[in-house]
Amino acid sequence: GAGVSQTPSNKVTEKGKYVELRCDPISGHTALYWYRQSLGQGPEFLIYFQGTGAADDSGLPNDRFFAVRPEGSVSTLKIQRTERGDSAVYLCASSPGGLPYGGQFFGPGTRLTVL
Amino acid sequence: ELKVEQNPLFLSMQEGKNYTIYCNYSTTSDRLYWYRQDPGKSLESLFVLLSNGAVKQEGRLMASLDTKARLSTLHITAAVHDLSATYFCAVDMVHGNKLVFGAGTILRVKS
Repeated sequence: GAGVSQTPSNKVTEKGKYVELRCDPISGHTALYWYRQSLGQGPEFLIYFQGTGAADDSGLPNDRFFAVRPEGSVSTLKIQRTERGDSAVYLCASSPGGLPYGGQFFGPGTRLTVL
Repeated sequence: ELKVEQNPLFLSMQEGKNYTIYCNYSTTSDRLYWYRQDPGKSLESLFVLLSNGAVKQEGRLMASLDTKARLSTLHITAAVHDLSATYFCAVDMVHGNKLVFGAGTILRVKS
């Protein structure tokens, strides 16, 4: 079956621009997570959705970052006024109903480069 | 704040040798996950450990969890080149729904 998909796979933008990153979770998975992975580091949690609502957004670094999941399936991570420090791989994951039993299934990521 | 530490961060080993990667974490949790990441790829789930004393094995890899010591190990038996990758452990906060990852262990198996 289809796994988690993310688009685009690569995004290059200029400092100060707005970007949107899309995640399609595994069909039927109610929980969706966004992480950010900088070079040489482990992924860092950004936000978690259960259904349509953000159950935990404690990892969002500041108010330039926002994520939505309006119909409880596809999610979009939005970054305003991008900065060079936002450059990273943004990973999306989904799970059947939150943790703990099966863990999280990760997508291929979107590599964001801010020039 | 939950902290997860892995060691070593880099491991170069010969084919056929055994070695162990360690994952320590700082606060109570009974759910720990091991992932593998190949260069430029996403994370592949290896093991899900859900209770104290849990041990799981898949091929040449075996993972265990000691929640009292707040320690998990990933043991590699008779390493082969195909095991070369970065291995991450991740801990679930108690009753939480976010994973806190270690920095990863880069494993290079030399032929």
